[in-house]
Amino acid sequence: QSVLTQPPSASGTPGQRVTISCSGSSSNIGSNTVNWYQQLPGTAPKLLIYSNNQRPSGVPDRFSGSKSGTSASLAISGLQSEDEADYYCAAWDDSLNGQNWVFGGGTKLTVL
Amino acid sequence: QVQLVQSGAEVKKPGASVKVSCKASGYTFTSYDINWVRQATGQGLEWMGWMNPNSGNTGYAQKFQGRVTMTRNTSISTAYMELSSLRSEDTAVYYCARRWVGIDSSGSLQDAFDIWGQGTMVTVSS
Repeated sequence: QSVLTQPPSASGTPGQRVTISCSGSSSNIGSNTVNWYQQLPGTAPKLLIYSNNQRPSGVPDRFSGSKSGTSASLAISGLQSEDEADYYCAAWDDSLNGQNWVFGGGTKLTVL
Repeated sequence: QVQLVQSGAEVKKPGASVKVSCKASGYTFTSYDINWVRQATGQGLEWMGWMNPNSGNTGYAQKFQGRVTMTRNTSISTAYMELSSLRSEDTAVYYCARRWVGIDSSGSLQDAFDIWGQGTMVTVSS
């Protein structure tokens, strides 16, 4: 029931490149920037990507983001075991229901 | 360092209220909005609302309007989120998060939750 749609799971082997998609609409992704958060097991979310494709200081350049129209993607290259986590996309939403931050349902990334 | 430290776990009965605190340190508390996000066990993130610590202005998600109140005490750099008329579905971890809005060093607009509290588990059970 999340406003933004993500695949529930993704997987890859060490060293591989994986992508996670995030689909929205004109009221959120289509008109605002997208952020991505990483949540390691048992911890609080951490900002991973902001403004569609910018990395905060300290985030490895293995992580990259992109946006096109009403969809966004997170790519992780050179997959490492410590990347195993839940990933959430988020965007500001301006709709008839008011102004809200909306999240995707999250994608659980498994490193095989 | 910049951090948000939240109050400890709570157990409440249905119909009661809970008040969670979020103490900021390492930055000027009144310069950034505080947002609240919750996460039920095994579920995704759900935004609840925001508060401007400088003005006290608030904005709540429609789902929580009438049940949630966000306040602050600027003298101790602490934000509060109170949720009333609790029901079992409110059992979740509640996070506070700082919203950073500005221009970064590369000239890109940043509008994101850059600092999160450690979370507060609220259990609603009879």
